[in-house]
Amino acid sequence: QKEVEQNSGPLSVPEGAIASLNCTYSDRGSQSFFWYRQYSGKSPELIMFIYSNGDKEDGRFTAQLNKASQYVSLLIRDSQPSDSATYLCAVIMSGGYQKVTFGTGTKLQVIP
Amino acid sequence: DVKVTQSSRYLVKRTGEKVFLECVQDMDHENMFWYRQDPGLGLRLIYFSYDVKMKEKGDIPEGYSVSREKKERFSLILESASTNQTSMYLCASSPRDRDQAFFGQGTRLTVV
Repeated sequence: QKEVEQNSGPLSVPEGAIASLNCTYSDRGSQSFFWYRQYSGKSPELIMFIYSNGDKEDGRFTAQLNKASQYVSLLIRDSQPSDSATYLCAVIMSGGYQKVTFGTGTKLQVIP
Repeated sequence: DVKVTQSSRYLVKRTGEKVFLECVQDMDHENMFWYRQDPGLGLRLIYFSYDVKMKEKGDIPEGYSVSREKKERFSLILESASTNQTSMYLCASSPRDRDQAFFGQGTRLTVV
């Protein structure tokens, strides 16, 4: 079992719709969770982080964390073509130093 | 803004060569990381460092070594480059008391 799992996609949504990206993780003791956006040919950039159960909103982005289910998601409201990118889920596992483990990413395509 | 700079954007090396990839950050971050990114495999951690002269193996350290003689600089060394080390290499840094990693622009290494 992979430590951080994401559906590779592509996930296609029409412009203006809500895009829902999902991620599960294996380490129940994980404490920190991140969403990175990566445009083709570019390096990842952090868009959201969440540490506590529940929802965290930042503009059009909402991160949701459910530690009991070991599940973290990213919702993008009013999706725009400029949101088309690969979204990487990242988790800091319990124990040891701050080693960030990434999922393989979900490719999102927003169709105009 | 945090700036993480990698010495080369593109690099072509021959099999058996010793290769140095350099990374410099300008925000006095304690933690620095080297990842490689391959299609379908996502970002995989090679090595990380949490302080000067300190290093920890990541998930795929074989064939690589690192050096951190100064806080701002973290070098990845391929002792004898092989074709299976052709990849995108990403350097990242983060402060000790915060988990969020900031990435450099990446180095696309091709070993022929």
